[in-house]
Amino acid sequence: GQSLEQPSEVTAVEGAIVQINCTYQTSGFYGLSWYQQHDGGAPTFLSYNALDGLEETGRFSSFLSRSDSYGYLLLQELQMKDSASYFCAVRALTTDSWGKLQFGAGTQVVVTP
Amino acid sequence: GAGVSQSPSNKVTEKGKDVELRCDPISGHTALYWYRQSLGQGLEFLIYFQGNSAPDKSGLPSDRFSAERTGGSVSTLTIQRTQQEDSAVYLCASSSRRETGADTQYFGPGTRLTVL
Repeated sequence: GQSLEQPSEVTAVEGAIVQINCTYQTSGFYGLSWYQQHDGGAPTFLSYNALDGLEETGRFSSFLSRSDSYGYLLLQELQMKDSASYFCAVRALTTDSWGKLQFGAGTQVVVTP
Repeated sequence: GAGVSQSPSNKVTEKGKDVELRCDPISGHTALYWYRQSLGQGLEFLIYFQGNSAPDKSGLPSDRFSAERTGGSVSTLTIQRTQQEDSAVYLCASSSRRETGADTQYFGPGTRLTVL
């Protein structure tokens, strides 16, 4: 089966750095994605890692270690608008040999003044 | 172009009634997904469609749930004999489903279903 684990909540002050870890277990693996969801809103895509290493997109970076089945999302220079839920999602092999996204339970990031 | 749209945005129904939720994916996207999200919870996969292939129904919680996708575009999720535990936000997403890459999913605004 597949499973993903991420912390349920992280609190930090404006300007700080937050790291959200995600560990996964899958039967086959294509890549790890991150999505952001504000309260009452729809999830939106943030980043994707298929290979080991760090991908940087502005204040957000995402890291993957395939050998450790582990990744993280790094939020730098936190702003109040970054308060949201963040989901990791794994593309994994399924019976149709393509794969579908399996989402983690989400991490609620609370940014305080 | 337009994003994923869903209707209705809110639906209140009585226990035991049937409901239909609609999703219009992004034009040209071949893959369409339905998820359910209860308050403060993660995304629960329900079903996905890819082109003309048989849908992956592995996430449907019971036989009261069914979905169709007509003409490779619009999809309808039907819940029969609704129960209070069906209350949730139902999210639809579509993607272009390339062989490689992120398979980025674009989500609609969701339908908030409340079963009284």
